[in-house]
Amino acid sequence: SYELTQPLSVSVALGQTARITCGGNNIGSKNVHWYQQKPGQAPVLVIYRDSNRPSGIPERFSGSNSGNTATLTISRAQAGDEADYYCQVWDSSNVVFGGGTKLTVL
Amino acid sequence: QVTLRESGPALVKPTQTLTLTCTFSGFSLSTSGMCVSWIRQPPGKALEWLARIDWDDDKYYSTSLKTRLTISKDTSKNQVVLTMTNMDPVDTATYYCARSIAALDYWGQGTLVTVSS
Repeated sequence: SYELTQPLSVSVALGQTARITCGGNNIGSKNVHWYQQKPGQAPVLVIYRDSNRPSGIPERFSGSNSGNTATLTISRAQAGDEADYYCQVWDSSNVVFGGGTKLTVL
Repeated sequence: QVTLRESGPALVKPTQTLTLTCTFSGFSLSTSGMCVSWIRQPPGKALEWLARIDWDDDKYYSTSLKTRLTISKDTSKNQVVLTMTNMDPVDTATYYCARSIAALDYWGQGTLVTVSS
């Protein structure tokens, strides 16, 4: 089965740029979606199809996908961005999630 | 406005069958391309996808759990039902339903299910 690998944690200084990676075999050939989950809340879609932002998601959130790595980039990080982030792909009609990355804003 | 809400028992005993209902509004599961998935999250752990049902009644299940899961829909009631048999304490989790066209774009708030005798 297809596997997605994320770092357990990423730290970023307030106002700086955070990059969260999602690794998978030839993930560049798949559409990658990213979710933000704050404590006690349901996940929220922040990027779909590699690099598209849903309505209401700030432009500070962007995504890219190539080769074996997809990346979620959060520019000008704010305290409110502190959360768990999950990448997701579809593989043979099944949903596959990465293990999640905890973003800490220092 | 799209909304989803999960409902079901908060506590089940080991070996029992869990039945969860996802009641949604703002879209129709008879619309081409529309799907609803169930996802769970044990306390402090990652998201785990369980099952999906499509507008055309196609169904897909997690490989590791497919022998225990059944997903169905009632389009007239705007509901999707998930049953999971032979519940175990390791199945303790928050269970979410979510709509998908491409990504899982709308999620319910989740319902915590505890498995304990």
